Amino acid sequence: DVKVTQSSRYLVKRTGEKVFLECVQDMDHENMFWYRQDPGLGLRLIYFSYDVKMKEKGDIPEGYSVSREKKERFSLILESASTNQTSMYLCATGGTGRTNEKLFFGSGTQLSVL
Amino acid sequence: GQNIDQPTEMTATEGAIVQINCTYQTSGFNGLFWYQQHAGEAPTFLSYNVLDGLEEKGRFSSFLSRSKGYSYLLLKELQMKDSASYLCAVRDIGAGKSTFGDGTTLTVKP
Repeated sequence: DVKVTQSSRYLVKRTGEKVFLECVQDMDHENMFWYRQDPGLGLRLIYFSYDVKMKEKGDIPEGYSVSREKKERFSLILESASTNQTSMYLCATGGTGRTNEKLFFGSGTQLSVL
Repeated sequence: GQNIDQPTEMTATEGAIVQINCTYQTSGFNGLFWYQQHAGEAPTFLSYNVLDGLEEKGRFSSFLSRSKGYSYLLLKELQMKDSASYLCAVRDIGAGKSTFGDGTTLTVKP
């Protein structure tokens, strides 16, 4: 089974702090994604990466950055956390080369910014 | 970009059949996915359509019409454990990113 591990299930941070959310996968997938999920807004794509050291902006990249130094690890960085970044953050992975590559999700990190 | 619409909430009775619709307008299309998400948990894959027609998998079926930008998820013989949010997602061409609808919360009542 694919395993997508997010480092923290719950996280509480203060406004202005730098926050790192880590995601590790064990399936050698090329594609990795960061989504945030908010009530009434569904899942929105923040950033994604299709290879090591490669990154692409999603639909809502403002206030975030990412890092992919190794294939199995994709980090989401909040440079200066703000209260409107309180949300559930979901990491997902998927392969390439086949059009029916489904996404595998981590269990999520509920981030609260106070 | 992608625009995906699905109903916010639906209610059905245990043992019944329910159909959850999804319409989309896209700039690129490389498949439509349905995911199930129980409260407090991560989404999990249910079904995939890339060609027109019906895909059946046990109690769950999914239909796609690309010309109409329309899909539905059909759940038969509903069980209480089917109470969850159902997410419709369209995969883009190229890097393969998926855009999600806001999800349909299904409540199954006894």
